[in-house]
Amino acid sequence: TQLLEQSPQFLSIQEGENLTVYCNSSSVFSSLQWYRQEPGEGPVLLVTVVTGGEVKKLKRLTFQFGDARKDSSLHITAAQPGDTGLYLCAGARSSGDKLTFGTGTRLAVRP
Amino acid sequence: DTEVTQTPKHLVMGMTNKKSLKCEQHMGHRAMYWYKQKAKKPPELMFVYSYEKLSINESVPSRFSPECPNSSLLNLHLHALQPEDSALYLCASSRQGASPKLFFGSGTQLSVL
Repeated sequence: TQLLEQSPQFLSIQEGENLTVYCNSSSVFSSLQWYRQEPGEGPVLLVTVVTGGEVKKLKRLTFQFGDARKDSSLHITAAQPGDTGLYLCAGARSSGDKLTFGTGTRLAVRP
Repeated sequence: DTEVTQTPKHLVMGMTNKKSLKCEQHMGHRAMYWYKQKAKKPPELMFVYSYEKLSINESVPSRFSPECPNSSLLNLHLHALQPEDSALYLCASSRQGASPKLFFGSGTQLSVL
């Protein structure tokens, strides 16, 4: 059973377009993280959100944690080819609990 | 130094071989992890070491044997693997505590023939 479902699974867009990736669960998480993984590399942490309703911005990336702490979204404005990669959400159901990774969203941004 | 270094980067082995994957970090992290990642799938947790002691084993087959010789090193010993064990093996480290930030290595791409 996959606790964290991401959508879409795959997204191919043109440079300059906006996009949103969703991470959904029926479980409550004490914290949620977003990672980006490029081919041939390990995932790199982008952000951690811990408070329901929290919004964090990282340049053109906006992350939101749902009010009920069951879901999260990642919005990218004006996507660039350098944004290409596998985006993974990962959640911990309680403090100190192991991380569970989401199903992943593979993003391709065409020049 | 915020790097986690994994060696080798690529490994091809037969089903009767014995090999080891190595991971090293010098960030003072006391939690270290092994993940397995199949193509186009998310990483799956295998083992967690906390203060050099095995704290989580996700029901991994005994043909995978982890070892943490000291706080900076983590090994994964491989013996009698199957072709379905072919995958990217990722090492990560983190501080202890709530919402730990995982630092991943680049992984070892393993092919079992």
